[in-house]
Amino acid sequence: LAKTTQPISMDSYEGQEVNITCSHNNIATNDYITWYQQFPSQGPRFIIQGYKTKVTNEVASLFIPADRKSSTLSLPRVSLSDTAVYYCLVGPPLSGGYNKLIFGAGTRLAVHP
Amino acid sequence: GAGVSQSPSNKVTEKGKDVELRCDPISGHTALYWYRQSLGQGLEFLIYFQGNSAPDKSGLPSDRFSAERTGGSVSTLTIQRTQQEDSAVYLCASSDFSGAYNEQFFGPGTRLTVL
Repeated sequence: LAKTTQPISMDSYEGQEVNITCSHNNIATNDYITWYQQFPSQGPRFIIQGYKTKVTNEVASLFIPADRKSSTLSLPRVSLSDTAVYYCLVGPPLSGGYNKLIFGAGTRLAVHP
Repeated sequence: GAGVSQSPSNKVTEKGKDVELRCDPISGHTALYWYRQSLGQGLEFLIYFQGNSAPDKSGLPSDRFSAERTGGSVSTLTIQRTQQEDSAVYLCASSDFSGAYNEQFFGPGTRLTVL
């Protein structure tokens, strides 16, 4: 299973754009890249997923270069409520079905007033 | 609709006692996962259920840990003869493989403290 590496922590201020980069050098060709968000005392929740190029939803954007060895989660104009831990994961497989998510330590984002 | 629920939300027990943690997945979700999260750490996979069978138990840390699922729904994680190192938040997730993203939906967790 591909290992991911991301910064342990980041600080930002309200209204700024935050970019969190994750490396996954050994990603398989048939795996998606998925990001989850976890607030204190809650379980993680899915925020975005992509395979290549750029994906955007109402919460974030995900940039994936052609070699797919890294990905960048972009949070536009963060607010205090975006303070959370963000996990980058390799998987699930494109073919669907069972996927054992391997969570690293995540990136602890603190947004300040 | 209702999400994944877990009970109890908090459990304090004494070393050596057995504990049972319950997970109610989202109705209709065939896949159910258990994870463990120690303080300040990422999630550690424990076991995966597809229906009532557990094709992947590779994450169970010892034979003191067991889990079952009945009726393709509720799951119980049992820890026998608890140890202090078992203290953690135990998270349950479910999925149905049919969503666009095959994402897992997590419950709020059970915080287990072993004294």
